[in-house]
Amino acid sequence: RKEVEQDPGPFNVPEGATVAFNCTYSNSASQSFFWYRQDCRKEPKLLMSVYSSGNEDGRFTAQLNRASQYISLLIRDSKLSDSATYLCVVKGVAGKSTFGDGTTLTVKP
Amino acid sequence: ETGVTQSPTHLIKTRGQQVTLRCSSQSGHNTVSWYQQALGQGPQFIFQYYREEENGRGNFPPRFSGLQFPNYSSELNVNALELDDSALYLCASSYYGQMSYEQYFGPGTRLTVT
Repeated sequence: RKEVEQDPGPFNVPEGATVAFNCTYSNSASQSFFWYRQDCRKEPKLLMSVYSSGNEDGRFTAQLNRASQYISLLIRDSKLSDSATYLCVVKGVAGKSTFGDGTTLTVKP
Repeated sequence: ETGVTQSPTHLIKTRGQQVTLRCSSQSGHNTVSWYQQALGQGPQFIFQYYREEENGRGNFPPRFSGLQFPNYSSELNVNALELDDSALYLCASSYYGQMSYEQYFGPGTRLTVT
């Protein structure tokens, strides 16, 4: 079993749709959690950190459930420019960060 | 603020050769992590450097080694290259001591081993 698991998708949604991505992690000692987006053949870019209380940044909402070891990302009012791969990242101890394999989102006109 | 830079952008090497990849961290950052990303997969953690010492290592063999310099820049060295080493190599910098531990990536070096 992978340390960080994501549904690979692809998710194909129309503009304006709401889409949710899920991520589970296996190490209960994990300390920090993030969502990154990666465009084709580019580097990952930080989308948002994920806090226990949940956090929102514009159309994006991230939530963390430590008891279930589960992270989510909700995108509201999807735009064409949201098309990308979304990577869930979990930081453990000793500097190690573990990435999921990503969920691919395509937003269509 | 200067972002993370990496060199070279692309590299083609032959099996058995050695390669050195370079990374300059974002200004104000003191920690550098290296990742290997194969096609269709997420980045895999190779190791992290803080204060010029290795501070955590993933499941990579000893032929993957690194250095961090006093200016926080870093090198990744790979000896005895294998075909499976073909991948995008990403460097990420962060500030150790920041609670959120956010990492910022460079554009990567695409290595092809033939």
